[in-house]
Amino acid sequence: DVKVTQSSRYLVKRTGEKVFLECVQDMDHENMFWYRQDPGLGLRLIYFSYDVKMKEKGDIPEGYSVSREKKERFSLILESASTNQTSMYLCASRLGGPTYEQYFGPGTRLTVT
Amino acid sequence: SQQGEEDPQALSIQEGENATMNCSYKTSINNLQWYRQNSGRGLVHLILIRSNEREKHSGRLRVTLDTSKKSSSLLITASRAADTASYFCATDAYGGSQGNLIFGKGTKLSVKP
Repeated sequence: DVKVTQSSRYLVKRTGEKVFLECVQDMDHENMFWYRQDPGLGLRLIYFSYDVKMKEKGDIPEGYSVSREKKERFSLILESASTNQTSMYLCASRLGGPTYEQYFGPGTRLTVT
Repeated sequence: SQQGEEDPQALSIQEGENATMNCSYKTSINNLQWYRQNSGRGLVHLILIRSNEREKHSGRLRVTLDTSKKSSSLLITASRAADTASYFCATDAYGGSQGNLIFGKGTKLSVKP
């Protein structure tokens, strides 16, 4: 079974802090994704990566950056957390193109106070 | 960039009844996928239907796709309390950004015992 793990289920940070969200997958998937999920807005793509050291902006990259130094790990960085970044963050991985299913981690519920 | 829109937003039924959820999208697609999300958790892939397919079954799930109407439906037969979850459709916009999936806002299904 593919497993996608996220470093924290719940996280509380203060405004202005630098926040790291880690995602690890164990199935040698090429593609990895970070989404945020907000009530009424559904899932929105923040960043994605199709290979190590490669990253592409999604629909809402402002205020975020990512790092993919190893194939299995994709990190989301909030450079200076703000209250409007309070959200559920979901990581996903996928073996290949969009005909493959995406495997999601359990999510990190981040609260910025 | 919203591609899929689920309808209804919320659905409440009794155990044993069938549940039907609909998804409409705007641009041509290669495939459409359905995912389930239990409360506060990550998404789980249910089924994928390709643009040249009209119907697909998986256990108690039946998915239809009408590309002329740009719509899909997910039918869950003989529903159980454990089917209580949010259901999302996801499309890859044909020729769209590198095959990223675009998720709808979801239908929240409640199955009462």
